[in-house]
Amino acid sequence: QVQLVESGGGVVQPGRSLRLSCAASGFTFRKYGIHWVRQAPGKGLEWVAVISYDGSQQYYVDSLRGRFTVSRDNSKNTAFLQMNSLKAEDTAVYYCVRAEVGARFDPWGQGTLVTVSS
Amino acid sequence: QSVLTQPPSVSAAPGQKVTISCSGSRSNIGNDFVSWYQQFPGTAPRLLIYDNDKRPSGIPDRFSGSKSGTSATLGITGLQTGDEAYYFCGTWDGSLTAGVFGGGTKLTVL
Repeated sequence: QVQLVESGGGVVQPGRSLRLSCAASGFTFRKYGIHWVRQAPGKGLEWVAVISYDGSQQYYVDSLRGRFTVSRDNSKNTAFLQMNSLKAEDTAVYYCVRAEVGARFDPWGQGTLVTVSS
Repeated sequence: QSVLTQPPSVSAAPGQKVTISCSGSRSNIGNDFVSWYQQFPGTAPRLLIYDNDKRPSGIPDRFSGSKSGTSATLGITGLQTGDEAYYFCGTWDGSLTAGVFGGGTKLTVL
């Protein structure tokens, strides 16, 4: 079945970096874009970024552009979210989501928790 | 402050019908399809409605979606206690070149 599995979350100090991974299976990964969406504790969904099927295009939410970078390795069916200069307000569950046509986000991974704290 | 506006909460009795609104602008809802997501506490969101009014396989026909202009609506009929969850609308904003979501609506089945 179609599945996305995030990894790489954990507790990190403010100012440090972290790289999240999103391993895909059950579909032709190289044909789909991948979104990253985060959810702070008790809050709603915040779209973070998207990378196109071939990695040639990336888009970011304005507030994170320059600190976060998305990439992918189609040979390994994996997408990445590099997060630099982390702040306490970056604490959230980070989801990777397959980009379907028509602004459809489906399916979602189970999420990985990132906690930024000293 | 979310780009798409949803009511924070709605409630209704079991068996009744409820609607959840999602208001946007010409650059997002007015320019692209709307999708809806259901999320239970501690779990990932799941797709409920896509392309404004289509249901993925496995989603009961008690769930429906519609769009008019710059607003969209999720409808749920025959409410069950198991429908208690958070519901989010989402789409793409062509001006922002970004995905956008509503702030989420908590459904309580009294």
